[in-house]
Amino acid sequence: ETGVTQSPTHLIKTRGQQVTLRCSSQSGHNTVSWYQQALGQGPQFIFQYYREEENGRGNFPPRFSGLQFPNYSSELNVNALELDDSALYLCASSLVAGGAEAFFGQGTRLTVV
Amino acid sequence: DQQVKQNSPSLSVQEGRISILNCDYTNSMFDYFLWYKKYPAEGPTFLISISSIKDKNEDGRFTVFLNKSAKHLSLHIVPSQPGDSAVYFCAAGNDGTGTASKLTFGTGTRLQVTL
Repeated sequence: ETGVTQSPTHLIKTRGQQVTLRCSSQSGHNTVSWYQQALGQGPQFIFQYYREEENGRGNFPPRFSGLQFPNYSSELNVNALELDDSALYLCASSLVAGGAEAFFGQGTRLTVV
Repeated sequence: DQQVKQNSPSLSVQEGRISILNCDYTNSMFDYFLWYKKYPAEGPTFLISISSIKDKNEDGRFTVFLNKSAKHLSLHIVPSQPGDSAVYFCAAGNDGTGTASKLTFGTGTRLQVTL
């Protein structure tokens, strides 16, 4: 059984650019959630996808968008990058009917300069 | 508005002693609580959870206590081991809707277990 994997592990972008982060869910998991963890803070919920549909969103602007594919892998896209978008981006997969445990990937460290 | 609070940013405990990590929440809709452990350069790892219908859940050296009236939960680690040194996050969710992984996290407590 494979775990949650994210790519890339590190990324440096310039303010105003666009970025795409990728996540492969744990085998059998149909729900993917994305979190942003700023330095010294806990992870903050961005949005969740269930069976390719957005299924809830946190307090993030529309320039944060996502996709979930039929194989349950997922992408997080951020447009018009700002310096404050610099953070660790975490992907978590879970089973909707399987309890609340979400299993996290190792994260993508995004630095916006 | 911080709905899940971990008021102690750090904690140092001697090996073999008990570590007690605390967490408070404000949202009465939370009905499922989790603890995650995070090492540097890794994602959070699920440790233990508790449903609001219980007041205690135990898994080996780890026990979580929930006091709903006080909106408070704690994680007890007995005995503490050097490998337990990590950042511990308290998280809360609402399992009843089936959208289980929309979690609200605290800011974390860095636990250091000394020899």
